[in-house]
Amino acid sequence: DQQVKQNSPSLSVQEGRISILNCDYTNSMFDYFLWYKKYPAEGPTFLISISSIKDKNEDGRFTVFLNKSAKHLSLHIVPSQPGDSAVYFCAASDNTDKLIFGTGTRLQVFP
Amino acid sequence: ETGVTQTPRHLVMGMTNKKSLKCEQHLGHNAMYWYKQSAKKPLELMFVYSLEERVENNSVPSRFSPECPNSSHLFLHLHTLQPEDSALYLCASSQGRTDTQYFGPGTRLTVL
Repeated sequence: DQQVKQNSPSLSVQEGRISILNCDYTNSMFDYFLWYKKYPAEGPTFLISISSIKDKNEDGRFTVFLNKSAKHLSLHIVPSQPGDSAVYFCAASDNTDKLIFGTGTRLQVFP
Repeated sequence: ETGVTQTPRHLVMGMTNKKSLKCEQHLGHNAMYWYKQSAKKPLELMFVYSLEERVENNSVPSRFSPECPNSSHLFLHLHTLQPEDSALYLCASSQGRTDTQYFGPGTRLTVL
């Protein structure tokens, strides 16, 4: 049973618009969440994280929102740029060294 | 070299071959990890090393054998693999076991 789910395998957004990537989790013990970005032929790159004591964390164009009651988090990218086209992985941790990853969402930003 | 490097980037091997994957981190981290990414599946944690000691083995078959000679290097020795072991193998490192993990580019392994 997957503890971290990314139900949208792909997303297509026009340049300049907002991209919203969603992630759901089932384990209420998770208290730290991360987003990784992956280009082809490269390893995942850490993008942004959020602790369960917060409901929002912002870094430039990237904002992560956490809704603990719904066990849902989302990554907002505003404005989206063609260079943002990549696969985005959501990951969760229960403060151990174990990161549980979702299956990823492929984002394509077109001009 | 900076960050986390992995060699080789691509590897094709037969089921009777023995090969090794190498990972090196240049970040001064104390923990290193092996992950497997199969097509359309989440990243799966295979092994965790902390201060050169294996602290986690996620029910990985014995045909995969990790080795961590020092805090900067991590190997994954492969022996008599199966075609279903074909995947992207990613190495990661972190300062402490609960800190953000930084990944290498991965080794794309194909078992024929």
